[in-house]
Amino acid sequence: KAGVTQTPRYLIKTRGQQVTLSCSPISGHRSVSWYQQTPGQGLQFLFEYFSETQRNKGNFPGRFSGRQFSNSRSEMNVSTLELGDSALYLCASSIRTSGDSGQFFGPGTRLTVL
Amino acid sequence: TQLLEQSPQFLSIQEGENLTVYCNSSSVFSSLQWYRQEPGEGPVLLVTVVTGGEVKKLKRLTFQFGDARKDSSLHITAAQPGDTGLYLCAGILTGAGSYQLTFGKGTKLSVIP
Repeated sequence: KAGVTQTPRYLIKTRGQQVTLSCSPISGHRSVSWYQQTPGQGLQFLFEYFSETQRNKGNFPGRFSGRQFSNSRSEMNVSTLELGDSALYLCASSIRTSGDSGQFFGPGTRLTVL
Repeated sequence: TQLLEQSPQFLSIQEGENLTVYCNSSSVFSSLQWYRQEPGEGPVLLVTVVTGGEVKKLKRLTFQFGDARKDSSLHITAAQPGDTGLYLCAGILTGAGSYQLTFGKGTKLSVIP
């Protein structure tokens, strides 16, 4: 079974621009979660989608948004980029929305904001 | 305030040594997971523990969930260079009304050959 894939793997943007990241979950997994990972804060939860509905949302500003499509693929968008948005963005999929089933992570998208 | 505190933050040991890393909280978790992350990759799930006092073994790795479900430990016996990585604990809060995983900041382990 193919793992979670994320595109692009690397991205360089400038302040004020916007960016869209893509995630394809493992086949059959309907829950997709997004995390931001930085050296200072570690892994922080952004949001979770299940069957095209946002189920949970972390403490991030409204500049961070996401969506999920009917095939479970998900995108996240960050508008008006700030320097502090530089991070590794990880997508994780799981069979169900209850986190105890364990999450399968993609390799991440490394975003650098200049 | 970090909900899950991991210690130590960094650990550098020689091949063959034993080590224990800890994951502590003042909150009760319905379950706790351990992940290992290698550079350039996403975290990989190692184990999930759900019952207070539970002990799980995965080859040379032993995971324990505290009786009160507030803490967990990971013990590695005879560490090998392939164990090098960032070890993350993550938990689901009891009664939170959601299944959001909360991660600790991790323990960065280096095993020197």
